[in-house]
Amino acid sequence: DAKTTQPNSMESNEEEPVHLPCNHSTISGTDYIHWYRQLPSQGPEYVIHGLTSNVNNRMASLAIAEDRKSSTLILHRATLRDAAVYYCILGGSQGNLIFGKGTKLSVKP
Amino acid sequence: DAGVTQSPTHLIKTRGQQVTLRCSPISGHKSVSWYQQVLGQGPQFIFQYYEKEERGRGNFPDRFSARQFPNYSSELNVNALLLGDSALYLCASSLAGLNIYGYTFGSGTRLTVV
Repeated sequence: DAKTTQPNSMESNEEEPVHLPCNHSTISGTDYIHWYRQLPSQGPEYVIHGLTSNVNNRMASLAIAEDRKSSTLILHRATLRDAAVYYCILGGSQGNLIFGKGTKLSVKP
Repeated sequence: DAGVTQSPTHLIKTRGQQVTLRCSPISGHKSVSWYQQVLGQGPQFIFQYYEKEERGRGNFPDRFSARQFPNYSSELNVNALLLGDSALYLCASSLAGLNIYGYTFGSGTRLTVV
């Protein structure tokens, strides 16, 4: 199963854009890239996912490199409620999600 | 619409006991997965069920078992509890058993083994 690499932590200021990077150099051609986030004492929350093209939804944008070996989750205007652990995930061979330790995002007012 | 519901929310058990955790998926979702999250770590995959059949199993001992019912709800059973089984147990549901769909997670069951 392919794995991802993310920074342990990042800081952002409220109302500024945030770019969360993820490396997945061993990604296969059929692996989707998933992003989830987890607030304290809650289960993970789906953010976005994509295969090759950049994706946008109401929560965020996902920019996928042309070679698919890296991707970036973009929060356009960070709020205090966006403070969470963000997981960049590739799917496992059994259709499961393989979580790493994620990036802990702190948002300063 | 109700999200993924898990019960109980908290549980305290003694070493050697058995525990059953329950999960109700979102209406219309036929796939249920179970994950274990130890403090400070990301969730680890335990089982995935789709249409009442096991479709995947993570690297967990045989003390862990699960099943899915005709209404697509699911139970996770853990026998002979160890202190190391203390964790947040998460249930996730999806339209199908493929990771091309987003998963919706419940808030989890916090299990403490003493």
